Amino acid sequence: EDKVVQSPLSLVVHEGDTVTLNCSYEVTNFRSLLWYKQEKKAPTFLFMLTSSGIEKKSGRLSSILDKKELFSILNITATQTGDSAIYLCAGGTSYGKLTFGQGTILTVHP
Amino acid sequence: NAGVTQTPKFQVLKTGQSMTLQCAQDMNHEYMSWYRQDPGMGLRLIHYSVGAGITDQGEVPNGYNVSRSTTEDFPLRLLSAAPSQTSVYFCASSEPHKNTEAFFGQGTRLTVV
Repeated sequence: EDKVVQSPLSLVVHEGDTVTLNCSYEVTNFRSLLWYKQEKKAPTFLFMLTSSGIEKKSGRLSSILDKKELFSILNITATQTGDSAIYLCAGGTSYGKLTFGQGTILTVHP
Repeated sequence: NAGVTQTPKFQVLKTGQSMTLQCAQDMNHEYMSWYRQDPGMGLRLIHYSVGAGITDQGEVPNGYNVSRSTTEDFPLRLLSAAPSQTSVYFCASSEPHKNTEAFFGQGTRLTVV
């Protein structure tokens, strides 16, 4: 059975801090690792990673995948209160199936 | 573009009632899926479909049925609602051959009393 584990489950920081969110996976027919941000509604897409060692960046967010060790990290630098959300990672297969982790609840205080 | 459309947005059912959650996508995606989200549990896969006429069970399929008669539609049926099915339900679609991300509907908040 496919499995994705995220850590930590919750995190409280102050504005300006840097955070690292972790995601490990065991997915048969693995093809991609996806990160989503969820703020009270539907998840919104952040990154899709398919190759090891290639960092993807979007503003203050970045992510990288290690296919040998089966994990990914999501970094957020200079956090803002608007970064407060649930961050979800998912392991995707070649035919589209996604297995999600439990999510990390990030709270950023002013 | 509408993307993925879910209806209804909110629903209250009595125990034992049946209902269908609707999901439609206009992106011609082959893959569609249903998830439920409970506090601290992330998104758990209920059922999925890799194309019209093909469905399969996910992690938590008990109490739910699906069908995929067209590429666009993937309804989720609750045959006899139970309080344990109180949750937020999300439908998603993707095109795995193009290696795109999954697109989500806005969710249905279901309460079973």
